[in-house]
Formats: sequence, C-alpha cells, structure tokens
Amino acid sequence: NAGVTQTPKFRVLKTGQSMTLLCAQDMNHEYMYWYRQDPGMGLRLIHYSVGEGTTAKGEVPDGYNVSRLKKQNFLLGLESAAPSQTSVYFCASQRDHEGEQYFGPGTRLTVT
Amino acid sequence: GQQLNQSPQSMFIQEGEDVSMNCTSSSIFNTWLWYKQDPGEGPVLLIALYKAGELTSNGRLTAQFGITRKDSFLNISASIPSDVGIYFCAGRGANSKLTFGKGITLSVRP
Repeated sequence: NAGVTQTPKFRVLKTGQSMTLLCAQDMNHEYMYWYRQDPGMGLRLIHYSVGEGTTAKGEVPDGYNVSRLKKQNFLLGLESAAPSQTSVYFCASQRDHEGEQYFGPGTRLTVT
Repeated sequence: GQQLNQSPQSMFIQEGEDVSMNCTSSSIFNTWLWYKQDPGEGPVLLIALYKAGELTSNGRLTAQFGITRKDSFLNISASIPSDVGIYFCAGRGANSKLTFGKGITLSVRP
C-alpha cells in the first residue's frame, strides 16, 4: 500500500513548454486534489475531483488543466509553462467528502 | 475567503520542553486536521478532529477541537529533535474543501 505517489519528483521546464504531472493513489479514494505550495503563501488548491470523470476548479486554476479518467489517477497539465508556475506541487486524496486527506511527496517544478 | 491564522511563524524550544500551537479562524469548521511537513517531503497527517470539544492524542501529540468550532490547538510534550518541521492546521467547512494555515516552523535545540 503505497498511499499517494507523484511523478516526477523534480522537473525543469523552459517558458512555453508543456508537461503533465501524474498522481496515483491505491486507497480507492473518491476525492483527489492538486495544490501548489509557495513560500509565504501556504497550500493553495488548483483543481480537484470528487470522482472518476469529474473535475472542478480550485482557488488558483489558471494555466492548469486536469483529468481524472481513472479513479486512481489524477493528472495535472501545464499547457504553456510560465515562470510564475515555479512551485512545489502536491497531490492529495480523500476517501469521501468528510474523510482525512493524505498527501503525496510532491513535485518540485522550476520554469526558466 | 476563509482564512486560518497560525502564529507565530517560527518557534524555538529546548529539547524536552512542551510546546503548544493554535489555529484560529473567523469561520466555523466541521473538521480540524493537523499536519507536519519535513523539508522536501509532503505534509503528513498527525491528528484529525471531528467534534467540537474533542480531545485526541497520538503519542506525545494532543490536539483539541475548540468549543466555538473556530479554533484548534496542538500540543507536543517532551519535544525531541525529530519534532523539527513545519506544522500546519487545516479546517474543513460546509463546502468540504480544506483551508490551510500557513504553518509554524518548529526548531528544537538539543
């Protein structure tokens, strides 16, 4: 039981490049989340999903897209990376609307 | 939007001391969660609280869900060097989304 895993762990992109971050969970959780963490800003919600095939916008969704084609996976895409998207990205999952939320180890992304 | 206040930003204690941190909100929450984050890692859930007034322990950690539902407290007893890290509170309101505090960085002097 690996919990929540994220790939890759580190990535450097040039401005304008695209990439996809993968999150996987093996706990059969319905809810999944993508956050970004920046110094002095805390954790901010980008997008989330309350079940397979559903997605919704969080607090800071601009510049990101997500997909939840399979229950265990939640993908975060950057179509055209910008330096402002340099951050540490965390995925999290939760059993249902009241459950405890568990985090992955994070992806450190640098956009130059 | 909802805000969670955690202060001070940093705390420095001596090994063996107890430390208490609190989290306050202007809004009512139905759930409080406390996390610890080590450098380069993701937040790890320490304690979850679901009822106003609830007091829950996890080893040397004790957390309480405030009676007003607008605050929560985390106590660490007999601190050890591995307690170093950033401690976040998170509250869940009626919309089911978590709101996070900005965290308190704890340093433990040996």
